[in-house]
Amino acid sequence: AQSVTQLGSHVSVSEGALVLLRCNYSSSVPPYLFWYVQYPNQGLQLLLKYTTGATLVKGINGFEAEFKKSETSFHLTKPSAHMSDAAEYFCASSGSARQLTFGSGTQLTVLP
Amino acid sequence: GAGVSQSPRYKVAKRGQDVALRCDPISGHVSLFWYQQALGQGPEFLTYFQNEAQLDKSGLPSDRFFAERPEGSVSTLKIQRTQQEDSAVYLCASSFQVGDTQYFGPGTRLTVL
Repeated sequence: AQSVTQLGSHVSVSEGALVLLRCNYSSSVPPYLFWYVQYPNQGLQLLLKYTTGATLVKGINGFEAEFKKSETSFHLTKPSAHMSDAAEYFCASSGSARQLTFGSGTQLTVLP
Repeated sequence: GAGVSQSPRYKVAKRGQDVALRCDPISGHVSLFWYQQALGQGPEFLTYFQNEAQLDKSGLPSDRFFAERPEGSVSTLKIQRTQQEDSAVYLCASSFQVGDTQYFGPGTRLTVL
């Protein structure tokens, strides 16, 4: 069975500061890993995904994440936060079962 | 259409009523998923279709939940005799093929009074 843990249900950063959202996964097989963003009253939008190959994955809006098998982590980063980044972020994994297993989410607040 | 659409966007039901939630996937997408997102939580898998075949319904919480996709396109999630604990946002997602990126609709927010 797969599980995803997101450390920190709320993260606040100042505009222009580094964004770091943490995600650890548990899987018996090499998983596919995803980060989604959810704005209020909207569906989930894919930021980036890792399937195979390069462990540093670049996504939209300047976000990137690094797959670290030894640490079972897939943390999301962005060098400089923008006010428009304020949203809820979900890490997810999928394996042979194909459906996504989500973490509980991290609400990102960007302070002016 | 350009994306996954869901209707209604909001639904209020009295406890015990039946509800039907509709999902229109992206045209040509083979796979369709339903997820339930409780307040303050991440989405949880309910069921999965490949074309018209329901291949996995292991996430459906009770036999009051039923999903169908009779022609391999539009899907309906039906909840019978709704209970307060059914209050949640129900998300639909589709992908071109099994294992491809899932694209999500805006969800239906169900409130059971």
